[in-house]
Amino acid sequence: GAGVSQSPSNKVTEKGKDVELRCDPISGHTALYWYRQSLGQGLEFLIYFQGNSAPDKSGLPSDRFSAERTGGSVSTLTIQRTQQEDSAVYLCASSLWYGGRGNQPQHFGDGTRLSIL
Amino acid sequence: GENVEQHPSTLSVQEGDSAVIKCTYSDSASNYFPWYKQELGKRPQLIIDIRSNVGEKKDQRIAVTLNKTAKHFSLHITETQPEDSAVYFCAASGGADGLTFGKGTHLIIQP
Repeated sequence: GAGVSQSPSNKVTEKGKDVELRCDPISGHTALYWYRQSLGQGLEFLIYFQGNSAPDKSGLPSDRFSAERTGGSVSTLTIQRTQQEDSAVYLCASSLWYGGRGNQPQHFGDGTRLSIL
Repeated sequence: GENVEQHPSTLSVQEGDSAVIKCTYSDSASNYFPWYKQELGKRPQLIIDIRSNVGEKKDQRIAVTLNKTAKHFSLHITETQPEDSAVYFCAASGGADGLTFGKGTHLIIQP
């Protein structure tokens, strides 16, 4: 597609359930990023992928969070045993990647608004 | 790693006046500095960016300046209009893990 696509756009679930969020990047973009944005707050970096590998997972808030990317395209962010503090908008972005340095424009999707009851 | 500070957190200006948002960064190796605009409930959108080999860049009513020596960069919006009301984020990148964002500035345009 023309832009970064995320699904679902909204997700409401009960505390303790697992959720899976999906991101489909712009075609040809080798780098993919996940961010979390709480209401009225800034962008909290979670994880990025260069191709299918995630060189640095230290931004993930806890071991309940995991992410994977297959085929150098679609990525899923999984949150296990959700807690109320996980409620936020989860944004995905993608970019080209040159020279091993992340200095290319990132293009964001519309995000998934996650609400934990 | 990189650390980006952004000021002010809230900025209120009269319609037609100019607005300036400032950011500082810590990593002297950073070489790419984008600015994003996020309207309420929408995705962040890139509005302008600058690379370290350039000191200033303009696009109609918006401009960005970069001072590499002082490690700070600024967004300038002239002749502000109601549709400029939004949250603006600066970012810096030069490292392997992509962009580091500032905490954002809520720009309010008063009619």
